[in-house]
Amino acid sequence: EIVLTQSPDFQSVTPKEKVTITCRASQSIGSSLHWYQQKPDQSPKLLIKYASQSISGVPSRFSGSGSGTDFTLTINSLEAEDAAAYYCHQSSSLPWTFGQGTKVEIK
Amino acid sequence: QITLKESGPTLVKPTQTLTLTCTFSGFSLSTSGVGVGWIRQPPGKALEWLALIYWDDDKRYSPSLKSRLTITKDTSKNQVVLTMTNMDPVDTATYYCAHRSIGGYVDYWGQGTLVTVSS
Repeated sequence: EIVLTQSPDFQSVTPKEKVTITCRASQSIGSSLHWYQQKPDQSPKLLIKYASQSISGVPSRFSGSGSGTDFTLTINSLEAEDAAAYYCHQSSSLPWTFGQGTKVEIK
Repeated sequence: QITLKESGPTLVKPTQTLTLTCTFSGFSLSTSGVGVGWIRQPPGKALEWLALIYWDDDKRYSPSLKSRLTITKDTSKNQVVLTMTNMDPVDTATYYCAHRSIGGYVDYWGQGTLVTVSS
């Protein structure tokens, strides 16, 4: 099983700041890493697919990078509506696994 | 437009069997490459993958829960059913069904259904 470890677990950020969340895989997964945003009492929403590919309708301030074992989600110029938990997910091999999540709070 | 919706009991007793139905629209589960998966999330915790069924009826399960899970599909009804036996309070969670795209990633999620296991 591929373990995904996110850091940090929690981040308190002021609006317009840049947020960086990392996800490290226990073994190489190529670019089969996807990012989701989950707001309270909502289901997850796909933000980035295949490490860096943008999703239609997702604001351009969200971007992803990385390959192999190290990946990054970047939120440029954080907005109040970005308060949420963020999860990485690998589809390289079964069982599918998710990171433990990173909660982003707005100061 | 792809939509999925979970249905089933909100409360089950320990040792009982849970049956959840995912009813979807906007895609066909007979399309090559497509799948529907189940993922759960205990309150305040992370996401955990449970099971996945592919268009060709291939079925895959979480190794840690494999003995308790069964996933089936009814293509004509656009439904996928998950059963989980021997429920325990630690299985209390929101259960989501989700669309696996042809590209291999989850792109759409249902709204989720909270299942509480308690006597």
